[in-house]
Amino acid sequence: DVKVTQSSRYLVKRTGEKVFLECVQDMDHENMFWYRQDPGLGLRLIYFSYDVKMKEKGDIPEGYSVSREKKERFSLILESASTSQTSMYLCASSYGEGFNTGELFFGEGSRLTVL
Amino acid sequence: GQQVMQIPQYQHVQEGEDFTTYCNSSTTLSNIQWYKQRPGGHPVFLIQLVKSGEVKKQKRLTFQFGEAKKNSSLHITATQTTDVGTYFCALGGSQGNLIFGKGTKLSVKP
Repeated sequence: DVKVTQSSRYLVKRTGEKVFLECVQDMDHENMFWYRQDPGLGLRLIYFSYDVKMKEKGDIPEGYSVSREKKERFSLILESASTSQTSMYLCASSYGEGFNTGELFFGEGSRLTVL
Repeated sequence: GQQVMQIPQYQHVQEGEDFTTYCNSSTTLSNIQWYKQRPGGHPVFLIQLVKSGEVKKQKRLTFQFGEAKKNSSLHITATQTTDVGTYFCALGGSQGNLIFGKGTKLSVKP
């Protein structure tokens, strides 16, 4: 079975702190994604990556950056956390070819609270 | 940019009743996926539709892709309490990304 592991299930941070959310997948997938999920807004794409060291902005990249130094790991970075970034963050991976993203496998999510 | 509308936002049904959620796109789609998220869980892939007019069934679930490839539906026959959760459609974007609808939250009264 594909396993997508997010490093922290729950985090509490203070405004202005730098926050790292780590995601690791074990199925050699090319594509990796970071979404945030908020009530009534569904899943919104922050960043995605289709190869090592490659990254593409999603719909809401402001205030976030990402890093993909190794194929299995995709990190989401909040340079200076704000209360508006309090949310559930979901990482996903897929084996996609071209523009066919393929089935997404999600991690359990990281619930971030910024005080 | 690509827009997706999913309706209804909420649906409350009595156990045994049918349920349908609809997904509409502003552009022609290459494919569409459906996911289910149980309360407290993460989204889980249900199916992908690719062909115009495609209909696929999974037990009590029926998935349809419109002839124009701009809309899709998920229909559940005779709902059960295990069907509770939020159902999302997701559209294949032009950059190889996946754009999710806002979801339909289904509650089932026993």
